[in-house]
Order: sequence, then structure tokens, then C-alpha cells
Amino acid sequence: KAGVTQTPRYLIKTRGQQVTLSCSPISGHRSVSWYQQTPGQGLQFLFEYFSETQRNKGNFPGRFSGRQFSNSRSEMNVSTLELGDSALYLCASSLEGGANVLTFGAGSRLTVL
Amino acid sequence: AQSVTQLGSHVSVSEGALVLLRCNYSSSVPPYLFWYVQYPNQGLQLLLKYTSAATLVKGINGFEAEFKKSETSFHLTKPSAHMSDAAEYFCAVSASVLRQGGKLIFGQGTELSVKP
Repeated sequence: KAGVTQTPRYLIKTRGQQVTLSCSPISGHRSVSWYQQTPGQGLQFLFEYFSETQRNKGNFPGRFSGRQFSNSRSEMNVSTLELGDSALYLCASSLEGGANVLTFGAGSRLTVL
Repeated sequence: AQSVTQLGSHVSVSEGALVLLRCNYSSSVPPYLFWYVQYPNQGLQLLLKYTSAATLVKGINGFEAEFKKSETSFHLTKPSAHMSDAAEYFCAVSASVLRQGGKLIFGQGTELSVKP
């Protein structure tokens, strides 16, 4: 059974640019959540999508957005990048109705110069 | 509101020694609690979970954790550390009142070092 796949694994952008990250969940998982991990702030919840609808949202500015497609794949977008957006972005998928058992991907490491 | 506090950002033990990583939680509802491990350049891997069944939970790689409601704790232990246990460990609590969905509140993490 394939795990959670995130692409790209590494990317470098400059301030002001935008970036799109992709996440393919485990087959059959309909919930996809995104987290930002930084040394200073740790793991912070960005948002969760279920059946193409945003179900939960964390405390991030509107520059951070996401969406989910009918096949449960998800993308997140960050516009007008800032230096502080440099982070590891983790995607996790889970079965609906489960006890929040999230399966994480390896992450996309974003560096903003 | 739910929150998690991990005591000690760095823990160092000798190979073969007891591993004890501390986690205290705050939750307005009976919590679901989790321990995850992260190896360098990888995502998080579930070690174990507590979902209101047995208070002593056994996980992978010989780890276990005990839920103590009176102490609001969920400490992670392993009787004998192995070099391969060196990693960062995260305690987490479900942030949803319904305890469903993908929103977890994570602690700041504890980096475990294992000395030969």
C-alpha cells in the first residue's frame, strides 16, 4: 500500500513568489491535513480538507490556501512568499471516523531567499 | 482548549538505559493522545495512540505510554534504548471536541540522543 506522497520534496523560491505543493493521500483516505514545521514554532496546523471541503483551518494568514480534488489529492498554495515561510510542509491523510490517526508524508522543504 | 507540553527539549540516554519522555496535556474533553517519531529528513511516524481504552498503551519498537488522568500525563517509555531510537519525538492531542478530523495539537518535541 503506497504511503502519502508529497511533491516536490525540496524547493527554493524568492520573496514575493508563490508556491504550490502537492499531496497524494493513501488510497481510501478522504481527509488530508497540512502542517507547517519550523524550528521556532514547531508543528502548526494549517488546514484540513475532507471531500473537497475545508473542514478545519489553523491560524495562518490568507496567503496560505489549499484545495482538495475529487480523487482526494490536495494542494496547498502560498502566495507572496516571505522569508518566514521557509519551513517543512507536511501533509497527512486519515480515514474518516478514525481516531485522528494521521499518516504523514515525508514533507516538502521550502526555502525562501 | 487543548494543549500539550513536553518537558525537556533534549534527552540523552546511554544505550540500554531506560527512555522516559514526558508529556502533559490539557483538554476540555476526554482526550485522544498520540506519540509520533520523526527521523531526520522524514515525516512523522505514529508510535502509539490512546483512545480511551486501556490506559497502558503499547506501540511499535518497544515503546509504551501510560495515560494518567489524575496527572494529565501521557509519558512515553522504553525499557532499553537502542541507537536507532535517536530521533525527535512529538506528543499530540486531538484538537477537535468530537476528537475526529485531522487537527492535532503537537508539543514542541523532544530530541532523544542515545550514547554508545
